[in-house]
Amino acid sequence: SQQGEEDPQALSIQEGENATMNCSYKTSINNLQWYRQNSGRGLVHLILIRSNEREKHSGRLRVTLDTSKKSSSLLITASRAADTASYFCAPRGDTGRRALTFGSGTRLQVQP
Amino acid sequence: KAGVTQTPRYLIKTRGQQVTLSCSPISGHRSVSWYQQTPGQGLQFLFEYFSETQRNKGNFPGRFSGRQFSNSRSEMNVSTLELGDSALYLCASSLRGGAKDTQYFGPGTRLTVL
Repeated sequence: SQQGEEDPQALSIQEGENATMNCSYKTSINNLQWYRQNSGRGLVHLILIRSNEREKHSGRLRVTLDTSKKSSSLLITASRAADTASYFCAPRGDTGRRALTFGSGTRLQVQP
Repeated sequence: KAGVTQTPRYLIKTRGQQVTLSCSPISGHRSVSWYQQTPGQGLQFLFEYFSETQRNKGNFPGRFSGRQFSNSRSEMNVSTLELGDSALYLCASSLRGGAKDTQYFGPGTRLTVL
């Protein structure tokens, strides 16, 4: 099944700095989705990027996708303490299991 | 539009008991998936229901079961609870459950087995 692996596992930055986290996957995809999870809560969908897109923006979020390298990155600009959370990527193939499969995530800590 | 709701939010049970968790999807969504999240195993897929039929199943023992009703609401049941079943159980809904659909998650049910 398709699973993304996030890197780094943990990231600590100061408020106002940018945070970049990466996702790698193994097989071809239809799209890739990023989710955020605050401690012990449900996952919040952040952004979906399709395989024919290279970059997408949503507010302070910028996602890139490089299908040749089978990787994606999520950039959070001007981070805030409220961005402290775990971030997961979920690559989706066209066929096979419909379930989302998640890696261990990147744990982002934004220091005020 | 209301989001995905899960009840109860917290639950404490003892070993050997059984438990039923409930999930109400976003209005119009027909696919409901369940996930288990533990510190050791991370997020793992349990099963998916679409139009009252189980369409997909993860690698969990038969003690974990579910069902979906005609209004798309779903329940999952865990029988003969074990300590290792302590976890956050997340429900997610989407329009059809396809690869292009976004899955929207509920807040989860925190189950503690003593």
